[in-house]
This record gives sequence, structure tokens and C-alpha cells, in this order.
Amino acid sequence: KQEVTQIPAALSVPEGENLVLNCSFTDSAIYNLQWFRQDPGKGLTSLLLIQSSQREQTSGRLNASLDKSSGRSTLYIAASQPGDSATYLCAVWGWGANSKLTFGKGITLSVRP
Amino acid sequence: DTAVSQTPKYLVTQMGNDKSIKCEQNLGHDTMYWYKQDSKKFLKIMFSYNNKELIINETVPNRFSPKSPDKAHLNLHINSLELGDSAVYFCASSQETGGETQYFGPGTRLLVL
Repeated sequence: KQEVTQIPAALSVPEGENLVLNCSFTDSAIYNLQWFRQDPGKGLTSLLLIQSSQREQTSGRLNASLDKSSGRSTLYIAASQPGDSATYLCAVWGWGANSKLTFGKGITLSVRP
Repeated sequence: DTAVSQTPKYLVTQMGNDKSIKCEQNLGHDTMYWYKQDSKKFLKIMFSYNNKELIINETVPNRFSPKSPDKAHLNLHINSLELGDSAVYFCASSQETGGETQYFGPGTRLLVL
């Protein structure tokens, strides 16, 4: 059974810092890994999707990497801004006909002005 | 235009009541999902439908019955509500079932008293 872990549960940084959010998963047989952002009281917004054959994906100030063999992914946020404050969730999609997204519990990020 | 919409946004009800949550997507996607996010913010899939057919039923009590009248709609009916059903329920959609990016609705906050 796939388990996704995100540690720490919360993080507070000053504006302008580059930061790394970590995600680990127990079963390396994944189809892809996805990072989402959730703002308080809102739904999830997809940030990046990395296929299992890829090593990283970039979008603006965000860069996500994937090391499938070790069961790890990182989300790198460059030059953090107060508007980046949100919960960041990592999720993996498995293989097979009835695959699904398995989510971590998320990391709540607070960027202080 | 809203891509994935849910109604109602908030739902407060008494134990034992029956309630429904509606979801609609205007993205032309074939697959729709229901997720439950509990008080600890843990997000877990409940059901997925592809072209009105049930694909995933994730050991959810049979008090929960999804219904998909067409590809653009996936409703969730809950019978005999219990205190433990209090959570945020998210609807999502994707183009197909193969791990593509999912688009989430804003959520329905259900409180059972």
C-alpha cells in the first residue's frame, strides 16, 4: 500500500528565501508524481506533474525533482514571497487499471514579509 | 468561467439526515472524482467515474452513493449522516483515467451536528 509522507508539517520562512519542500513515498512503482497548492478554504491547484521517466519539471520559480528509486521528490521555491503562503501537497499516481492519487498530508508554508 | 463547481459550499445538518452535494465540470473531461479531506487535512479518494461508469470505490460506506447522470456531472448522496462524516468534500475532474492533471472544485464543507 502506497504511503506518502511530507515532513515537516509546517514551515515559516522570511521573504526572499529559497526553500525546499520534501516528499517521500514507499512504493517506487509510480506512474507520476504531482505537486498541488491549497489555499485556506479553497480547492487544490495543480503546480507540477512529473512523469516517472522524468527527473524534474519547472514552472516559473518552482522546480520539482523526482528520484523514483529512492522514493523522494522535492519542490524548490526560489525567492519566496508572502503570496506563496499556502499548503503544498505531494501526490503519487500508481500503475494499473484502477490507479489513483495518493496524497501526503501537506506542508503548510508561511512566508513572512 | 468556473471549471469545476460544487454546490452547496457549506452544509450544516443533523445526524441521521440525508443530503446531496452536486458537482459540475465544464472542461469536457471524461473522468470525475470525489475526495474527502478530514479534520487532519488528510485528502483521500472516495470514488472515480469515467464516462458515467464507476471506476474506483475506495471502501466507502454504502451510505455514500455517487451518481453520474452525464459526463459533466457527478453528485454525491449521503444517507443517515453521522458525526464522522463531517469533512470537506472535493470534486475533481481529469481528461482521462491515466494520471493526468486533476482540476479540483472549491470544496463543500459538511458539518454534522
